[in-house]
Amino acid sequence: GESVGLHLPTLSVQEGDNSIINCAYSNSASDYFIWYKQESGKGPQFIIDIRSNMDKRQGQRVTVLLNKTVKHLSLQIAATQPGDSAVYFCAENLNSGNTPLVFGKGTRLSVIA
Amino acid sequence: EAQVTQNPRYLITVTGKKLTVTCSQNMNHEYMSWYRQDPGLGLRQIYYSMNVEVTDKGDVPEGYKVSRKEKRNFPLILESPSPNQTSLYFCASGKGTGYGYTFGSGTRLTVV
Repeated sequence: GESVGLHLPTLSVQEGDNSIINCAYSNSASDYFIWYKQESGKGPQFIIDIRSNMDKRQGQRVTVLLNKTVKHLSLQIAATQPGDSAVYFCAENLNSGNTPLVFGKGTRLSVIA
Repeated sequence: EAQVTQNPRYLITVTGKKLTVTCSQNMNHEYMSWYRQDPGLGLRQIYYSMNVEVTDKGDVPEGYKVSRKEKRNFPLILESPSPNQTSLYFCASGKGTGYGYTFGSGTRLTVV
C-alpha cells in the first residue's frame, strides 16, 4: 500500500539556526497532513496541520509547506532551540471516508547548543 | 483538561498471562486507536475504532483484541502475551477522518 516516508532519519542543527524536516508522501489522494513532535518518554504531540487547498501554513516558529505537484511536505522551525530536540513525524489522511492517519517513521532532530 | 489517559504507564508481565491496557478520553471523540512503537519501525497501528461497537484491524493486529462498548473507553487486551509484544504502546483519539489525533502518554510493556 501507499505510505508516508521521510527523506532524512536524523538532523543536527545549531541552536538559533532554522531547521527543515522533509516528508514525501505517495498517496496522491491524501488531502490532509499533520506534523507531530515526540519528545523522549512522551506521546506524539500535534504541532501543525495543513489541508490540500493550502500550500503554506504558519504557526508559532513553525511553518508547514505542501507541494502537491511533487507530493512533498516540509516542516520549518525558525530559530531552533534545545527544547525542539525530538522526533518529528509527518502523517497523511484522506479528508473523507473512514481512513486512519498514516504515519511516517520519523526524523530525529538534535539541537547543538 | 482534554486528554487521553492510558494505564498503566509501565508493566512487566510473564508470557501467557492475560493483560489489559486501558485507554480513556474525555473529548467525546468518535475515533480511537492503538499503536505500538518499536525502534526503527515508527508507529504501527494495531486496531482502531470509528465509533462505538465499530472496530477494525490496523497493520499489526495479531495477538491483540480491543473493544469499544462506550465512546470514551478503548481497552487493548493481550490474551496471551509473548515477548515479541514487548513494546511502547500509545492510545490516540480524534474527531475522525480529516482531523488530528490526541495521544496518550504511552504504556511501556515488557513481556518476559
